[in-house]
Amino acid sequence: AQSVSQHNHHVILSEAASLELGCNYSYGGTVNLFWYVQYPGQHLQLLLKYFSGDPLVKGIKGFEAEFIKSKFSFNLRKPSVQWSDTAEYFCAVTNSGGSNYKLTFGKGTLLTVNP
Amino acid sequence: GAVVSQHPSRVICKSGTSVKIECRSLDFQATTMFWYRQFPKQSLMLMATSNEGSKATYEQGVEKDKFLINHASLTLSTLTVTSAHPEDSSFYICSARDPRKGNEKLFFGSGTQLSVL
Repeated sequence: AQSVSQHNHHVILSEAASLELGCNYSYGGTVNLFWYVQYPGQHLQLLLKYFSGDPLVKGIKGFEAEFIKSKFSFNLRKPSVQWSDTAEYFCAVTNSGGSNYKLTFGKGTLLTVNP
Repeated sequence: GAVVSQHPSRVICKSGTSVKIECRSLDFQATTMFWYRQFPKQSLMLMATSNEGSKATYEQGVEKDKFLINHASLTLSTLTVTSAHPEDSSFYICSARDPRKGNEKLFFGSGTQLSVL
């Protein structure tokens, strides 16, 4: 069974600080990887995804993530955070075989950006 | 704007009663919807996959007789928590897959906070 581990439960940063949120997964096969974000009072929405190709993927709002297969990691980064990035961030994985698109989520990381 | 609507957003009920939660896709036909449950400070856990016109597929450990799923139309799936008990109190969230987009993207509802007294 696949699992996702997010290392930080709550991260607090000041505006303009750099961000890196850790995500490790455990699954022996080929995976698709996602980062979702949930802003306060809003739905979960897709931030970025990796299916294949360039392991450095760029998402919306200046976020990027790097897939490192040897480390089973898919860390989320942003060079300079803004107050509006305050949200909960979820890493998720699904295996890419067949038509399996059931997501396994991590526990989430709450990001608080202080102005 | 939201493309998946979930209702109600919050429900409080007495132990032993049943609660129905609706999940609607607003601008696409969702042949597949997913139901998740999230306990405080835990990850979203997939409960079941709802397929239009057929029986839902439940994840291991999820009681299908307690969590009834009906996906009678291409835009509506319902989750009924039957004979709810306090341990069923949780945040329930649905998602829908837009078949036009393959498996690239799921759209999520806003969730339902269920509190069983």
